Amino acid sequence: EPEVTQTPSHQVTQMGQEVILRCVPISNHLYFYWYRQILGQKVEFLVSFYNNEISEKSEIFDDQFSVERPDGSNFTLKIRSTKLEDSAMYFCASRLDSLNTEAFFGQGTRLTVV
Amino acid sequence: AQKVTQAQTEISVVEKEDVTLDCVYETRDTTYYLFWYKQPPSGELVFLIRRNSFDEQNEISGRYSWNFQKSTSSFNFTITASQVVDSAVYFCALSEAEMRGSARQLTFGSGTQLTVLP
Repeated sequence: EPEVTQTPSHQVTQMGQEVILRCVPISNHLYFYWYRQILGQKVEFLVSFYNNEISEKSEIFDDQFSVERPDGSNFTLKIRSTKLEDSAMYFCASRLDSLNTEAFFGQGTRLTVV
Repeated sequence: AQKVTQAQTEISVVEKEDVTLDCVYETRDTTYYLFWYKQPPSGELVFLIRRNSFDEQNEISGRYSWNFQKSTSSFNFTITASQVVDSAVYFCALSEAEMRGSARQLTFGSGTQLTVLP
């Protein structure tokens, strides 16, 4: 069964460093998302991506964040200068279509900023 | 703005008991979609069900059933004869009406931690 894959599963980084979280969405899906979940809290939307550009972004997604689809398969989230409060589980998701379909999530990347 | 409320933070039941997880939502749209996701201890988010706002028929899938009531803006989830493997955090989520080309995101509730004791 097709699935969304994320790498790495766990990343530890020092405050101020740049990190790139990687995702391979399901191959025929057109819509891509990043969500984050601070430990013990709800899942929060960060950004959506369609047709090679950002479709929507939340207020969390400030200038330190960026997304890219550098080739036909990868979808990356970059955090330029990490802060302690960026520590969270980051989920990538993809959807086949925007109409009446569900989002499939990857297994997540746990980012720990020290 | 849309909002999803899961008032039950934690529920504990003994195996084989039935349990209902509540979900109440707010939206200004007349067309929207409701979802339930399961997050087991391993951390991934597993899709369980999607429901359209114009389809209020309840659904049963094995031990799972969902009760969608538009009049009370609720989309409750019942597990019958619970098992230890059902222990997880369950999230209800809402997505407002979409147009092709508009990647509308999910708004999640805060989740309900279900613990099924042997």
